[in-house]
Amino acid sequence: SQTIHQWPATLVQPVGSPLSLECTVEGTSNPNLYWYRQAAGRGLQLLFYSVGIGQISSEVPQNLSASRPQDRQFILSSKKLLLSDSGFYLCAWSAGQEAQPQHFGDGTRLSIL
Amino acid sequence: GQNIDQPTEMTATEGAIVQINCTYQTSGFNGLFWYQQHAGEAPTFLSYNVLDGLEEKGRFSSFLSRSKGYSYLLLKELQMKDSASYLCAVMDSNYQLIWGAGTKLIIKP
Repeated sequence: SQTIHQWPATLVQPVGSPLSLECTVEGTSNPNLYWYRQAAGRGLQLLFYSVGIGQISSEVPQNLSASRPQDRQFILSSKKLLLSDSGFYLCAWSAGQEAQPQHFGDGTRLSIL
Repeated sequence: GQNIDQPTEMTATEGAIVQINCTYQTSGFNGLFWYQQHAGEAPTFLSYNVLDGLEEKGRFSSFLSRSKGYSYLLLKELQMKDSASYLCAVMDSNYQLIWGAGTKLIIKP
C-alpha cells in the first residue's frame, strides 16, 4: 500500500532563517505531488504541485520554493522566513491518472518567531 | 472566478443525522471530493462523486447534482469522534482541486 511521510511534525524558526521540509511517498511511482499551507481555521492553499521529476508549478508568489529531485521526494524550501510563513504545511500525493483523490502526510506545524 | 461555499460551523447531537451542504462554481467539473479533518491533523479522503446521485459508504453518504452545482455530505448515527471539519473540494477542467474553507462540525452528547 502507499504511504506518505512528512517531517518534521513541528518546527519553530526565527524570522530570516532558512527552511527545508521534506516529503516522501512509498508504494507508488510517478505520483503527482503537492504542497499546501493551511492558516488556523482556514481552508487549504495550494503552494506548489509537481507532475514529474524537476517539474514544479507555483500557484502563489511568495518567498518559498519547491523541488523534486527524485520521483517520490518533494521538498519545500525558503532562504529567509517571514512571520507570515507561519502555518500548517501539508504534503499530498495523488496517482498520476486524472481525477484521483489526494492523500495527505501528517503535516508540519511551522511557527515563526 | 472559482468558488466553493459551505457553512462555517454546524452543531448536531450524538446519534442524530446531519447534512453538510456545498455549492460550487468552477471552470469545468471533473468530480467533487469530501475530506474529514480532525483538529490539528491532516485531511483524510471520504468520498468522490462525479455522476449525479447518492454514494453511500457506511454511516456517510455523499450526494451530487451537477446541474445545480450542489453536493451534500450526510452523516448518520453521529458519534463524538465525528467532531471534525469537513472539506468540500471540486476538481476543475485542469484537474486542479478547488477547496472550500471547510465546515466545523460540533457534536454534543
